Amino acid sequence: GAVVSQHPSRVICKSGTSVKIECRSLDFQATTMFWYRQFPKKSLMLMATSNEGSKATYEQGVEKDKFLINHASLTLSTLTVTSAHPEDSSFYICSAKTSLTYEQYFGPGTRLTVT
Amino acid sequence: AQSVTQLGSHVSVSEGALVLLRCNYSSSVPPYLFWYVQYPNQGLQLLLKYTTGATLVKGINGFEAEFKKSETSFHLTKPSAHMSDAAEYFCAVSGWMGDYKLSFGAGTTVTVRA
Repeated sequence: GAVVSQHPSRVICKSGTSVKIECRSLDFQATTMFWYRQFPKKSLMLMATSNEGSKATYEQGVEKDKFLINHASLTLSTLTVTSAHPEDSSFYICSAKTSLTYEQYFGPGTRLTVT
Repeated sequence: AQSVTQLGSHVSVSEGALVLLRCNYSSSVPPYLFWYVQYPNQGLQLLLKYTTGATLVKGINGFEAEFKKSETSFHLTKPSAHMSDAAEYFCAVSGWMGDYKLSFGAGTTVTVRA
């Protein structure tokens, strides 16, 4: 149980285009989802927290207009990187939790490369 | 606010030797503490966690960690390293209420020598 998937696992896009990453909880209802960014050989940086049906809460320094997060259902959250640039290239990881527990379940990550 | 410091960005051990990864935390409230493992190009897998109760916690793959409040530490150990333990390890802390947001340490890369 407690499986989280991400799609796509890898994506390459051209500079200036937008790309959407999906995060799904497959066997539980995720009232809260988190989006992290991980640079090579670095730790995970929390980008935003999203509660189902509410606007996402962004961490300081994260551009909300660039990284659009939607959490429209209890099983799906999306991260859209708008007008992507090479510096947005990174490994993006989502996690999800229910309202009943503190534990986060992590997705496998999405490797974004902007050319 | 919570934060984590992992001492040693890289640890190299011989197969069969003790693995010791150090983690110290800072928290203004009683912490929940976690150790995660990450293999290349993959997400995070939970190794073990401490919330309340017994301070020595056992996890998967033979790992264990001890919560020491007086030392604000949560070091991870494994008595005998296996080649498959080569990975990146992250210590993390969260508060015990609210969104339970995690704060991660910088990570420790473990290599295992044959």
